[in-house]
Parts: sequence; structure tokens; C-alpha cells
Amino acid sequence: DAKTTQPPSMDCAEGRAANLPCNHSTISGNEYVYWYRQIHSQGPQYIIHGLKNNETNEMASLIITEDRKSSTLILPHATLRDTAVYYCIVLEYGNKLVFGAGTILRVKS
Amino acid sequence: GAVVSQHPSRVICKSGTSVKIECRSLDFQATTMFWYRQFPKQSLMLMATSNEGSKATYEQGVEKDKFLINHASLTLSTLTVTSAHPEDSSFYICRVGSRSTEAFFGQGTRLTVV
Repeated sequence: DAKTTQPPSMDCAEGRAANLPCNHSTISGNEYVYWYRQIHSQGPQYIIHGLKNNETNEMASLIITEDRKSSTLILPHATLRDTAVYYCIVLEYGNKLVFGAGTILRVKS
Repeated sequence: GAVVSQHPSRVICKSGTSVKIECRSLDFQATTMFWYRQFPKQSLMLMATSNEGSKATYEQGVEKDKFLINHASLTLSTLTVTSAHPEDSSFYICRVGSRSTEAFFGQGTRLTVV
């Protein structure tokens, strides 16, 4: 079973920041938080991952709370092409990624 | 990052026939690959872990005799859906494993059994 909970859907205005929350209250010390997204009928695409510290790359920022029980993925300037299902995943058993239901992000013009 | 090529992207087959799906890691030697299945409007479900040179490990509820996995080299894993039925129609996706870095997925294969 997935170890994360996410809201089923969110809307965001084009050009605004999209903030996608994720709860992972049972995360253990060595587990990373990974974010992927899946555009319709494509394979998932890696976005970012982190352990304790906040992370930023060219796609997004990841904010992890100090107790590591939740995190937020931030897309700083959402575009229509960012419309997708976003999955927050806690990496368990080494490589065994388990996907939850994810959040459907709809970016609207 | 690793480039993963999955083929075919779409396949339609008759009920009772077998279908082979290939997953190639083009620039990464993958000792481990993973196969997922995704039904419409549902999340990805891990089916099995493919290990190079050894037997695959199947998730609970996945029939190993129906979904044959072969991982004969470090760059190729195949999933064969044997005696396919309409309920096997789904989106099948492979993934190249990487312990310390991000994982990479194939483009997926849309299987339709008629």
C-alpha cells in the first residue's frame, strides 16, 4: 500500500505557483520522498526527490517539513503543459516504487 | 538520465493470443527492471520485478504463468501476456531501477484485447 496521502485534485491558474501537498506521516528515517507526474497516456516522469532538506531543480521545488511527515511540491509558474497526475511516493524496499492515487492538477488559462 | 525505450506503444490482439512487450534501457545497464500495469483512471500497480539472469519476482495476485518476464541481458526485459483476454487490456509500463538516483520509465504500451 502507498504510504502517502494526497488530495485527489487541484486547480491552478496558468502562470501562478502550483503547491501540491503530500502527507507521509509514517515515513522512516532512510526513506526518500519522490515526486513523479504522469501526463495522459504516457509513462511517469521524474520531477524531484529529497530526504530532509528542501530541494530545487529546473522543474520544481520540494519543501519537506522538519518532522518529515509532510511535503509540498511547488511548480513556480504553472503552464497548461503541467496538467497531469502528480504522484508523491515514499521510496520503500530500495527500488520498489509504490504509486498511490496521486493528485490531478488542472492548470487553467 | 537513463533512456528507456518500450515497444510497441500500442497493440491490438485477438483473445487467446500472446503479446510480447519489450523494454530496453538504451544507455544504462539495468540489473533490475520493473513492470507496472495501469487500468483506466487508476494508478500504476507494480506487477513484477525483473532481475537480469534470474527469475522475476511477482507481486501478490499477479499470475506468473500468464505474465512471463524475461530479463536476459542488462539492456532488455520482455513481458509476454499469454493467452490474453479482454480483461488484460491495460497500459503496461516498464521502469529502469536506480537505487540512488531517480528512476526512469518507458513510454508505456497500450494493450487492447478484442
